[in-house]
Amino acid sequence: QKEVEQNSGPLSVPEGAIASLNCTYSDRVSQSFFWYRQYSGKSPELIMSIYSNGDKEDGRFTAQLNKASQYVSLLIRDSQPSDSATYLCAGGLYNFNKFYFGSGTKLNVKP
Amino acid sequence: EAQVTQNPRYLITVTGKKLTVTCSQNMNHEYMSWYRQDPGLGLRQIYYSMNVEVTDKGDVPEGYKVSRKEKRNFPLILESPSPNQTSLYFCATRYNEKLFFGSGTQLSVL
Repeated sequence: QKEVEQNSGPLSVPEGAIASLNCTYSDRVSQSFFWYRQYSGKSPELIMSIYSNGDKEDGRFTAQLNKASQYVSLLIRDSQPSDSATYLCAGGLYNFNKFYFGSGTKLNVKP
Repeated sequence: EAQVTQNPRYLITVTGKKLTVTCSQNMNHEYMSWYRQDPGLGLRQIYYSMNVEVTDKGDVPEGYKVSRKEKRNFPLILESPSPNQTSLYFCATRYNEKLFFGSGTQLSVL
């Protein structure tokens, strides 16, 4: 089993809808999780981090962590075409010296 | 402007010809790391360096070397590249928990 797993998609949602991106992780990964957004041909950029069970909101983005189920999700409300990108889930360990990334979920937001 | 600079952006080479991909940062970060990104496999860590004195292997270090002689530079060296090292490579620094990535180097080994 990979340390962090994601559905590769693509996930297509209409503009204005909620996009739900999911990620599961193995016991090897610590309890710190991150969502990176990667536009085509560009480098990843951090959009959310979450460390505690529950929800964390930042603007239109909400990260959710369920440690019992080893499950992390990212909700994007009021999705915009500019949100179309690949979203990478990552888990950190060893004081953030090592990170495990999922393969990414491609999101398409249709106007 | 704070940035992580990689060079070259694109590189085509042949099997066995030694190459170096450079990485330089102007953010004064202690930590630097190299990743490769392959379709379906995501980003995988090659090496990381906590500071100029400490460098350690990531998950896929075979066939790669790194050097950290000074804080700002962290070159990736392929002594004898093979076709399975064809990939998109990213250098990154870290501040607290946040990674800052360079713009990437697309390497093709023929």
